[in-house]
Amino acid sequence: NAGVTQTPKFRVLKTGQSMTLLCAQDMNHEYMYWYRQDPGMGLRLIHYSVGEGTTAKGEVPDGYNVSRLKKQNFLLGLESAAPSQTSVYFCASSDPRHRDTEAFFGQGTRLTVV
Amino acid sequence: AQTVTQSQPEMSVQEAETVTLSCTYDTSENNYYLFWYKQPPSRQMILVIRQEAYKQQNATENRFSVNFQKAAKSFSLKISDSQLGDTAMYFCAFTPPWEGGSEKLVFGKGTKLTVNP
Repeated sequence: NAGVTQTPKFRVLKTGQSMTLLCAQDMNHEYMYWYRQDPGMGLRLIHYSVGEGTTAKGEVPDGYNVSRLKKQNFLLGLESAAPSQTSVYFCASSDPRHRDTEAFFGQGTRLTVV
Repeated sequence: AQTVTQSQPEMSVQEAETVTLSCTYDTSENNYYLFWYKQPPSRQMILVIRQEAYKQQNATENRFSVNFQKAAKSFSLKISDSQLGDTAMYFCAFTPPWEGGSEKLVFGKGTKLTVNP
């Protein structure tokens, strides 16, 4: 059982570069999420998706774009990376039919923008 | 806006002792879910325990239990017989009510727990 898999696990970018973080889940979950984790800030929601072809903004969406072309994949893009986007990024998925069940998280991606 | 507050940024406990982590939240809704997640140094987010707001009975999972005080909007986590492997960041999280067909977790800022030998 792979669960939620994030690619890559680590990345260093130069300011202004672009990149895409890939999240894949094999649990047939409808809902997927991207969070960022910063020291002393907990996890904050960037974008989320309630199904294939849909996306919505979370708490801190600026500077990021997302796409959900396939149900099992949720991509997070940074078009022009900034040092403020240095963070650990988590993808998660959940089943909306069972609100009491946990959200399943990936292992995280540590991104450093220099 | 719903918020989750963890007032203890760091805590420490001796191995085999009991420790309680605090969490308060703010909502005007009556039905929701509360969670405690553990994040060890590996970064993996692991669900520790969950509580349904409409259930008065406090949830328990082996050495982990909660004290859910709905009127006070308090959801503390008690860890009994602490083990070295319990060293981790602990996040309290809250699921707000259905919002236009979506749902998402709101997290507190976390409590760093260190279990000392």
